[in-house]
Amino acid sequence: AQSVTQLGSHVSVSEGALVLLRCNYSSSVPPYLFWYVQYPNQGLQLLLKYTTGATLVKGINGFEAEFKKSETSFHLTKPSAHMSDAAEYFCAVSANYGGSQGNLIFGKGTKLSVKP
Amino acid sequence: EPEVTQTPSHQVTQMGQEVILRCVPISNHLYFYWYRQILGQKVEFLVSFYNNEISEKSEIFDDQFSVERPDGSNFTLKIRSTKLEDSAMYFCASSTRLVNEQFFGPGTRLTVL
Repeated sequence: AQSVTQLGSHVSVSEGALVLLRCNYSSSVPPYLFWYVQYPNQGLQLLLKYTTGATLVKGINGFEAEFKKSETSFHLTKPSAHMSDAAEYFCAVSANYGGSQGNLIFGKGTKLSVKP
Repeated sequence: EPEVTQTPSHQVTQMGQEVILRCVPISNHLYFYWYRQILGQKVEFLVSFYNNEISEKSEIFDDQFSVERPDGSNFTLKIRSTKLEDSAMYFCASSTRLVNEQFFGPGTRLTVL
């Protein structure tokens, strides 16, 4: 069975500071990994995804994440936080095998606050 | 930019009543999903749908739930007899192909009284 753990339900950073949101996954098969962002009263928007190939993936709004198989991690980073980054962030995993129907398994989410 | 739309944005119903949540996926997408998020909890997979039939469903998706694609554009989730614990935000999503980026709608907040 697959699962996702996001450490920290709430992270607070100052504007301009590094953003680090942690995600660890459990999967018995090679995973596909995703980060989604949810702004208030909106749906989930894809930030970035890892399927195969380069383990460092870049997404929208200056975010990036690195797939580390040995650590079963897919942490999300951004060098310099902006006020507009304040939102809730969800890490998700999908099974990468022929029998999968593509459903996403989500973590509990991390709410990011950005202080001026 | 194409987007997934959902109606209504908020539905209030009495326990035991039937509700239908509606979604219009992105037009060239082939795979459709419903997820729900109970307040303060994880987003949970309910069901996936492809080629006019259910592909996969979770244990949450019991006999009280059903999905349908009644025409070429709508994708609906029906809850036959709502319970208090069905109160949640329900998200519809669609994708062009299996295990690809899923595009999510803004959600329908269902409140069961």
